[in-house]
Amino acid sequence: RKEVEQDPGPFNVPEGATVAFNCTYSNSASQSFFWYRQDCRKEPKLLMSVYSSGNEDGRFTAQLNRASQYISLLIRDSKLSDSATYLCVVNIASGGYNKLIFGAGTRLAVHP
Amino acid sequence: ETGVTQTPRHLVMGMTNKKSLKCEQHLGHNAMYWYKQSAKKPLELMFVYSLEERVENNSVPSRFSPECPNSSHLFLHLHTLQPEDSALYLCASSQGTGTSGRRETQYFGPGTRLLVL
Repeated sequence: RKEVEQDPGPFNVPEGATVAFNCTYSNSASQSFFWYRQDCRKEPKLLMSVYSSGNEDGRFTAQLNRASQYISLLIRDSKLSDSATYLCVVNIASGGYNKLIFGAGTRLAVHP
Repeated sequence: ETGVTQTPRHLVMGMTNKKSLKCEQHLGHNAMYWYKQSAKKPLELMFVYSLEERVENNSVPSRFSPECPNSSHLFLHLHTLQPEDSALYLCASSQGTGTSGRRETQYFGPGTRLLVL
């Protein structure tokens, strides 16, 4: 089983649509959680951290369910510029240091 | 843009060549990382350095040799690579290496796209 699993997509949605991405992780010792965004041929960039109570940043809402080991990202009112690959990332304490485990990513294509 | 730079951005090398990838971070961070990203695969952690000490070697073949002379610079020395080593090599840094969340947010460089012929 993969440590972090995501639906690879692609999700093709029109501008203005709401789209949701799901992610599951296998290691119950995971300590913190993130969504990164990676544009084509670019490096990953932090989109937002994910907190236990859920958190929102503008059009983006992240949720965490530790019991189910499930993370989600909701994007409202999609823009063309949201087209990218979204990486689900978990942080595991390993040997006293921080280890990020990345999902393979979910590709989003927003069209006019 | 993110404070982490990598050179070269693109590299083509033969299997008998020796080359080095360089990473520099201008963020005052204490931890640096090397990742490999192959097509349609998740990022794979290769090495972790904390305060210039290697704390993780994630079963990486010896043809990849990291070096961290100080907390701002990280190198990846390459020799006798194989075609399957062709990938995007990403460097990242973080303020610390604990697990408290924000402090350990990793910032990535633009990567070196490597092609081994």
